[in-house]
Amino acid sequence: DVKVTQSSRYLVKRTGEKVFLECVQDMDHENMFWYRQDPGLGLRLIYFSYDVKMKEKGDIPEGYSVSREKKERFSLILESASTNQTSMYLCASRISGNNEQFFGPGTRLTVL
Amino acid sequence: GEDVEQSLFLSVREGDSSVINCTYTDSSSTYLYWYKQEPGAGLQLLTYIFSNMDMKQDQRLTVLLNKKDKHLSLRIADTQTGDSAIYFCAESSNYQLIWGAGTKLIIKP
Repeated sequence: DVKVTQSSRYLVKRTGEKVFLECVQDMDHENMFWYRQDPGLGLRLIYFSYDVKMKEKGDIPEGYSVSREKKERFSLILESASTNQTSMYLCASRISGNNEQFFGPGTRLTVL
Repeated sequence: GEDVEQSLFLSVREGDSSVINCTYTDSSSTYLYWYKQEPGAGLQLLTYIFSNMDMKQDQRLTVLLNKKDKHLSLRIADTQTGDSAIYFCAESSNYQLIWGAGTKLIIKP
């Protein structure tokens, strides 16, 4: 079974802090994704990565950056957290060329 | 751009059938997906249908695709309390997934 893990289930940070969200997958998938999920808005793509050291902006990249130094790990970085970044963050991975995505359990981030 | 729409809530009685509807805009989508998100969890693929199919059945789940109207539905027969979740419809577009907002299925006893 594909396993996608995220470093924290719940996180509380203060405005202005730098926040790292980590995602690890164990199935050698090339592609990885970061989404945020907000009620009534569904999933919105923040960034994705086709392969190591490659990254592409999604629909809402402002205020975020990403890092993919190793194939299994995709990090989402909030350089200076703001209250409007309070959300559920979901990481996903997939085999290149395949549409099915496998999701982690999510990190619920609260920025005070 | 591409868009996927679905109702935000559906309430059904335990034992009844649930029908969750979705409309999409990209007629070139090759696959359409239903994902399920249980409370406090990530999303899991529930089922999918290839665009040249009209129907797909898998135990209690039936997916119907009307390509002309760009309408996708998920029917859950004999709805149980364990079916309580958010159901997301997604269409494939340029190897990305375009997501609906999710339909929260509420089961009444």
